[in-house]
Amino acid sequence: DGGITQSPKYLFRKEGQNVTLSCEQNLNHDAMYWYRQDPGQGLRLIYYSQIVNDFQKGDIAEGYSVSREKKESFPLTVTSAQKNPTAFYLCASGPHYAGYTFGSGTRLTVV
Amino acid sequence: GQQVMQIPQYQHVQEGEDFTTYCNSSTTLSNIQWYKQRPGGHPVFLIQLVKSGEVKKQKRLTFQFGEAKKNSSLHITATQTTDVGTYFCAGTKTTDSWGKLQFGAGTQVVVTP
Repeated sequence: DGGITQSPKYLFRKEGQNVTLSCEQNLNHDAMYWYRQDPGQGLRLIYYSQIVNDFQKGDIAEGYSVSREKKESFPLTVTSAQKNPTAFYLCASGPHYAGYTFGSGTRLTVV
Repeated sequence: GQQVMQIPQYQHVQEGEDFTTYCNSSTTLSNIQWYKQRPGGHPVFLIQLVKSGEVKKQKRLTFQFGEAKKNSSLHITATQTTDVGTYFCAGTKTTDSWGKLQFGAGTQVVVTP
């Protein structure tokens, strides 16, 4: 089955620690995206990538970093510079003109 | 801030009743998409509208794209408990050279049996 796999499902981060969220897709999509979801605020775009080895900042990129070394993979690193990282992180892929496919998400909590 | 606005933010519906949720953009959109997110789940693509005035139906769900391509609506008839979730609209601005989706904040739907 084609789809997007995000891991881990739950992640706990200590203050000052960097953590990396995994996102892998086997849908052969060129474009991939990272969104952050907070209650009542919908989905906010962190980073997106239209093609391998290229990515752009979204609306809330500060404190995050990404890489796109392979078409299938688009990992997101939440750095210690992100002051309020507790949120639900969603990875998606697909063209904007045909609907995105979302992964099942990672819930990140700062402890 | 959010450039695609959705109203209402919350919708409590009695099972069997109809309701409508609205999506408004400050700029003209080239397309509008609707997604549904069940509690504890992830957004799932429902439908896309691209033409001015377009109307599409999926069983009890009717989606409409405004004539000016700045607003959209989702109407659900005879609401069922399976309709519980948050409904998001998302649009692509015509001025965006590449076309990334702008999501609304969603309408959270609660159904009372």
